[in-house]
Amino acid sequence: DTAVSQTPKYLVTQMGNDKSIKCEQNLGHDTMYWYKQDSKKFLKIMFSYNNKELIINETVPNRFSPKSPDKAHLNLHINSLELGDSAVYFCASSRLPTGSQETQYFGPGTRLLVL
Amino acid sequence: GIQVEQSPPDLILQEGANSTLRCNFSDSVNNLQWFHQNPWGQLINLFYIPSGTKQNGRLSATTVATERYSLLYISSSQTTDSGVYFCAVERAGGYNKLIFGAGTRLAVHP
Repeated sequence: DTAVSQTPKYLVTQMGNDKSIKCEQNLGHDTMYWYKQDSKKFLKIMFSYNNKELIINETVPNRFSPKSPDKAHLNLHINSLELGDSAVYFCASSRLPTGSQETQYFGPGTRLLVL
Repeated sequence: GIQVEQSPPDLILQEGANSTLRCNFSDSVNNLQWFHQNPWGQLINLFYIPSGTKQNGRLSATTVATERYSLLYISSSQTTDSGVYFCAVERAGGYNKLIFGAGTRLAVHP
């Protein structure tokens, strides 16, 4: 009965490869997010989708492309991986994108290591 | 953009001690959450608390929105409380874009 799940949990890959991380939520939420946590534990939002529509797009290289096939899924595809992409990527969801009372629930994270 | 500052950056406690973690923010917010990131990396919601006071077991939190700060109290700390505590805020009208502080790293020793 996991609320927000991500696959894979760990991803080790070579520079230059293309990889995808998948996220699914079974909370019935309309809004999903991707966050990146760097080696110093700093967490920063990357993208947000509301009901399959992009609403937040931070300053992220265009090698990163989110895709939302439906409102329960938000995948992150990364092209031409670089060493600096090594990080933990967290998916999150909330009921609505705006207003009060909107707690965000986080997935377990995907640990990406680029060699 | 909104700034979020957490203090102290690091905290070492003996089991059983009490502590207070602070989060200051630079603008009006309509969302403030406290998270605990455990040693396995999982982010766990502790409180949704844009204003007021809440308690959950040994943990409690208070946000004084007019003065732009929030406090997280941990009483009778246990080794399982170790990890990183994050405060995250959404600026009013910010599309639920959570801005995280740098965290307080807590180590509780037996």
